[in-house]
Amino acid sequence: GAVVSQHPSRVICKSGTSVKIECRSLDFQATTMFWYRQFPKKSLMLMATSNEGSKATYEQGVEKDKFLINHASLTLSTLTVTSAHPEDSSFYICSARDRGTYSNQPQHFGDGTRLSIL
Amino acid sequence: AQKITQTQPGMFVQEKEAVTLDCTYDTSDPSYGLFWYKQPSSGEMIFLIYQGSYDQQNATEGRYSLNFQKARKSANLVISASQLGDSAMYFCAMREGRAAGNKLTFGGGTRVLVKP
Repeated sequence: GAVVSQHPSRVICKSGTSVKIECRSLDFQATTMFWYRQFPKKSLMLMATSNEGSKATYEQGVEKDKFLINHASLTLSTLTVTSAHPEDSSFYICSARDRGTYSNQPQHFGDGTRLSIL
Repeated sequence: AQKITQTQPGMFVQEKEAVTLDCTYDTSDPSYGLFWYKQPSSGEMIFLIYQGSYDQQNATEGRYSLNFQKARKSANLVISASQLGDSAMYFCAMREGRAAGNKLTFGGGTRVLVKP
């Protein structure tokens, strides 16, 4: 089945550090990947849609300069949290769809990244 | 207005019994898809079942079935013969439009705890 690998699974770092999270589709090509943020005991909130070879589409209220997204290939999207602060601490999770499937096929999710900023 | 509403924040269910998780949605697009995902405490999102707006029959996948009532705009998930491993958060999500790359909108989730 379709597998999405997300790395790292957990990050603990100091305030002011930039953190990069990778999302890879291992056995399929994904022209579109999605980045979500989830607070404890809350739902997933879409941050941005990552499009291969073009700029990401950010949801309202998401700072583009804070959350940099790069989708350089059909199997890799990265989210960089720049100059992270404690309020950026959260669970970040990516998803991707196999571009060769129909609309009734689900998005496949990575296992998520727990980011803790001290 | 919320596009996806899950009114049950948490539920207890006895092992081996069935449980119904409510989901209502709001869209003016005639073409849409509804998904249910399970999220255990470890955090990964596990796809359970899908219902398309033009599907004539309710979707079923093993112990999971979807009670799709289009006129009422509801897509409730039924888990039969609950198991201890079913304890998790459950999210209903909607994709609007035909395009396969369209984003998902998630409901607030329902936490299910299965009691032995």
